[in-house]
Amino acid sequence: DSGVTQTPKHLITATGQRVTLRCSPRSGDLSVYWYQQSLDQGLQFLIQYYNGEERAKGNILERFSAQQFPDLHSELNLSSLELGDSALYFCASSVDLGTGEQYFGPGTRLTVT
Amino acid sequence: QQQVKQSPQSLIVQKGGISIINCAYENTAFDYFPWYQQFPGKGPALLIAIRPDVSEKKEGRFTISFNKSAKQFSLHIMDSQPGDSATYFCAASITGAGSYQLTFGKGTKLSVIP
Repeated sequence: DSGVTQTPKHLITATGQRVTLRCSPRSGDLSVYWYQQSLDQGLQFLIQYYNGEERAKGNILERFSAQQFPDLHSELNLSSLELGDSALYFCASSVDLGTGEQYFGPGTRLTVT
Repeated sequence: QQQVKQSPQSLIVQKGGISIINCAYENTAFDYFPWYQQFPGKGPALLIAIRPDVSEKKEGRFTISFNKSAKQFSLHIMDSQPGDSATYFCAASITGAGSYQLTFGKGTKLSVIP
């Protein structure tokens, strides 16, 4: 158990809908990273928040957004969902010192029908 | 542009054998190279990592070999066990850039047969 929690574990929704994925980092970690894992693209970095502020953006679609709250939990919002958004979404947390070792949560499996 | 290339895509090894997974990177600014292990239905778990100032790092049965001039690094699993059957990802990041975002290889599915 990495200490990172994600909810929900599974999510099934229809095209055009909006969903929110939640992540709680390990105790003491200030950074939250979001990654998308799909069969064709592999694991791809989406976005990072550090202590409430956006720090880095990767291959994140404009339909996707995230935020980190004062208690350091983070939410990833996916809107106008398309079939191609079906994937596993992971968050990872890190202290962001030295090498910034990242510890991943169990993921949320999103299925868009 | 795939910045971290991983091979092979899949690997079958006999119990007790050595599993070898290779990665090559393009961006010379990368300075932290972790390996993650992922079991079905689970998140990736940090296995072992190396920085380019050393050529080898060993932790138990797992060894990373690093060749800075060739921009390559590899994971060796000694005495492979059926419990090692999982997907392995190499990754790279730039640690001085303010973000430690990881760039991953495509993964290697390892099957260790008894």
